[in-house]
Amino acid sequence: KNEVEQSPQNLTAQEGEFITINCSYSVGISALHWLQQHPGGGIVSLFMLSSGKKKHGRLIATINIQEKHSSLHITASHPRDSAVYICAASSGGGADGLTFGKGTHLIIQP
Amino acid sequence: DGGITQSPKYLFRKEGQNVTLSCEQNLNHDAMYWYRQDPGQGLRLIYYSQIVNDFQKGDIAEGYSVSREKKESFPLTVTSAQKNPTAFYLCASSLQGYAGYTFGSGTRLTVV
Repeated sequence: KNEVEQSPQNLTAQEGEFITINCSYSVGISALHWLQQHPGGGIVSLFMLSSGKKKHGRLIATINIQEKHSSLHITASHPRDSAVYICAASSGGGADGLTFGKGTHLIIQP
Repeated sequence: DGGITQSPKYLFRKEGQNVTLSCEQNLNHDAMYWYRQDPGQGLRLIYYSQIVNDFQKGDIAEGYSVSREKKESFPLTVTSAQKNPTAFYLCASSLQGYAGYTFGSGTRLTVV
């Protein structure tokens, strides 16, 4: 069974700072997902990646398959980026669900 | 717009009562999932269904039941056998498991 670990658990930064959230997993995966959860609880899928790097606006996600490690970066952070960021792993095609990390609670102060 | 609808957003029940949480999707997704979230813990899989009239237990299925009579709907019943039912419940769907997932907005269940 895959174990997914995230760090840090909590992160407070000033507006404009470059943010990095890390995720490691224990066994091979078919894809790694980065998700965003806002205070109301709803979850939005940010990225799904199985190799390399993806970019969307100020968000960048990278994955190193050999090291079983992924990072989510936020450039020029803004208070509206404040949320819980969750990484999740799918294996064996992903049809049997995701294994989630515990999340990183990010607060960006103005 | 396509998406997943979970209802209600907040639900209160007395201990010992069964309660059913609704999840409907209009994305034509094959697979649907129910997850439970507790403070300080990652989401955990309760049940999932890859096709109509079929479903499998996840990691924490005890005290829960589901049905998948239609492709669009995957209701979750929290039974009185569930020892700690108070939690945040999220429904999700995916096209065939290889594609990305779409999540609902969740139902916060409080049992008093």
